Amino acid sequence: GQQVMQIPQYQHVQEGEDFTTYCNSSTTLSNIQWYKQRPGGHPVFLIQLVKSGEVKKQKRLTFQFGEAKKNSSLHITATQTTDVGTYFCAGPYNNNDMRFGAGTRLTVKP
Amino acid sequence: DGGITQSPKYLFRKEGQNVTLSCEQNLNHDAMYWYRQDPGQGLRLIYYSQIVNDFQKGDIAEGYSVSREKKESFPLTVTSAQKNPTAFYLCASSIGIYTEAFFGQGTRLTVV
Repeated sequence: GQQVMQIPQYQHVQEGEDFTTYCNSSTTLSNIQWYKQRPGGHPVFLIQLVKSGEVKKQKRLTFQFGEAKKNSSLHITATQTTDVGTYFCAGPYNNNDMRFGAGTRLTVKP
Repeated sequence: DGGITQSPKYLFRKEGQNVTLSCEQNLNHDAMYWYRQDPGQGLRLIYYSQIVNDFQKGDIAEGYSVSREKKESFPLTVTSAQKNPTAFYLCASSIGIYTEAFFGQGTRLTVV
């Protein structure tokens, strides 16, 4: 089953509103990755977080890794229609491979 | 251009037939993965390989088989034993298990 749980499953926002998706693990993660998949496309890597409490920013996107390294979030400020897609978090599983959360599908109404 | 290539983009097969999906990378990555994605769903791991001639089952390996005879190639065979094979199949590669994964464009398989 899923190693990391992701919520919400869907999020509909008006353009200009903020958006946040959360990723939670029952075990401590050595790192967490975030990906974006546009409709009809393939996942594209956004960022990797490694350190406890780490915060990284990419323009309007802010990524956080929890102090206990069991949770992470992606926050988008002032969404645009180009932000539409599904956002996935991924964490290492059994030190062998990366497992993906179920994803949060973001739709933005102009 | 370096990258990861999946072919074909769309594939149609009759029920009961085996079908092989191609995945090739020229990124010199050791690790390769196969994921299945159903409409509105996340990515579920089918098989992964960390090195040539070695591969491991993921969460949903039943009805699938793989080989890793070359570093560049990781083909996936969807066998007739797979009960519900219609899905979007994604291949990925990475330098190692904790590094950024690069995905192919995907193969959309429809079994009729």
